[in-house]
Amino acid sequence: DAGVTQTPRHEVAEKGQTIILKCEPVSGHNDLFWYRQTKIQGLELLSYFRSKSLMEDGGAFKDRFKAEMLNSSFSTLKIQPTEPKDSAVYLCASSLGGEQYFGPGTRLTVL
Amino acid sequence: GDSVTQTEGLVTVTEGLPVKLNCTYQTTYLTIAFFWYVQYLNEAPQVLLKSSTDNKRTEHQGFHATLHKSSSSFHLQKSSAQLSDSALYYCALSGSGGSNAKLTFGKGTKLSVKS
Repeated sequence: DAGVTQTPRHEVAEKGQTIILKCEPVSGHNDLFWYRQTKIQGLELLSYFRSKSLMEDGGAFKDRFKAEMLNSSFSTLKIQPTEPKDSAVYLCASSLGGEQYFGPGTRLTVL
Repeated sequence: GDSVTQTEGLVTVTEGLPVKLNCTYQTTYLTIAFFWYVQYLNEAPQVLLKSSTDNKRTEHQGFHATLHKSSSSFHLQKSSAQLSDSALYYCALSGSGGSNAKLTFGKGTKLSVKS
């Protein structure tokens, strides 16, 4: 079985741009998570979907971050507009209610 | 809400010596599952250990941890650290499956093993 896939692996954006990150969960998993990873804060939850329904939308990230789950096998995270402080690794994970399986992440650099 | 506290920052140990990474928690759930995730450089986090049984030792890849509900702890230990153990380690808890599969993560501990 394929694991969680994320594209692109690296993204460079200018301040103010809109970027869209993509994630394909493990087939059959009905829980999907988006995280931001930084050295200082560690893993911060951005969004959580169960069976395509939004269960949690990280409070501090609501204004410029929007995650969507268009179908059970595809999710996007849009950041609009980007700011330099958004530079981080964005991880997607999926699960069947227990152990989460992570994708390789997208490293975002905002100039 | 739930919280997980780990040994902060960087832990440096000499190859061959024992290592212990601390993890304590606070939760309102009665039934909990615990995980240790390991993330090697430029790789995705992956599960190293998991447990939901009080006072039962869990082992994998030379690491072990025991969930102690009496002290709200799930420390990670290894008797002899290897250079290849250098990585970022996260402790995480999950409330009883059910309607919420969210994990609460600690902030991570970076382990550096020196020769």
